[in-house]
Amino acid sequence: GNSVTQMEGPVTLSEEAFLTINCTYTATGYPSLFWYVQYPGEGLQLLLKATKADDKGSNKGFEATYRKETTSFHLEKGSVQVSDSAVYFCALSVGNTDKLIFGTGTRLQVFP
Amino acid sequence: DAGITQSPRYKITETGRQVTLMCHQTWSHSYMFWYRQDLGHGLRLIYYSAAADITDKGEVPDGYVVSRSKTENFPLTLESATRSQTSVYFCASSEGRGNTIYFGEGSWLTVV
Repeated sequence: GNSVTQMEGPVTLSEEAFLTINCTYTATGYPSLFWYVQYPGEGLQLLLKATKADDKGSNKGFEATYRKETTSFHLEKGSVQVSDSAVYFCALSVGNTDKLIFGTGTRLQVFP
Repeated sequence: DAGITQSPRYKITETGRQVTLMCHQTWSHSYMFWYRQDLGHGLRLIYYSAAADITDKGEVPDGYVVSRSKTENFPLTLESATRSQTSVYFCASSEGRGNTIYFGEGSWLTVV
């Protein structure tokens, strides 16, 4: 079946630190991969996506590269800010239905 | 640009009662989705709809009913609420075919 595994949180960092949140997947076929972000009290927003192997998605300083050989889509940011504190979800979709399968989410806390 | 709206945002109900969560989108998106968010599970798909009058089960459909008589509306009904259905419910929509999925702000439901 299709599934997403992401690292347990919370991840606690100081401002300007380097961020990595690991995400690996299992999928039949060729999935599209996504990172969504959820700020406190809000719904989910698409942060970035990649639709084929070796694609790099990027947005707001965040990046993730679709690695088929390691079935991974790790989220990185070179210098986090307090405003990046949120829950980050890795997700995949397979086929044309756009049904998203989510990981359990990783809470990021950034302190000044 | 109203986007996607959910109501009620917060609801407390008793075990055994019927509850309906409303979802309305103004984009005329073909696809609509209902997810529930629970700690340790991330988001799990309850039901989805590819178009008006077409609905299909997701990962956790038991105890829920949906309908889609109009493209813009996708209500979710808990026929006889149970405590295990205490959760945050997110409605989402997309144009389909790999386009971005947009989420509502969520409905917090507590079953006592």
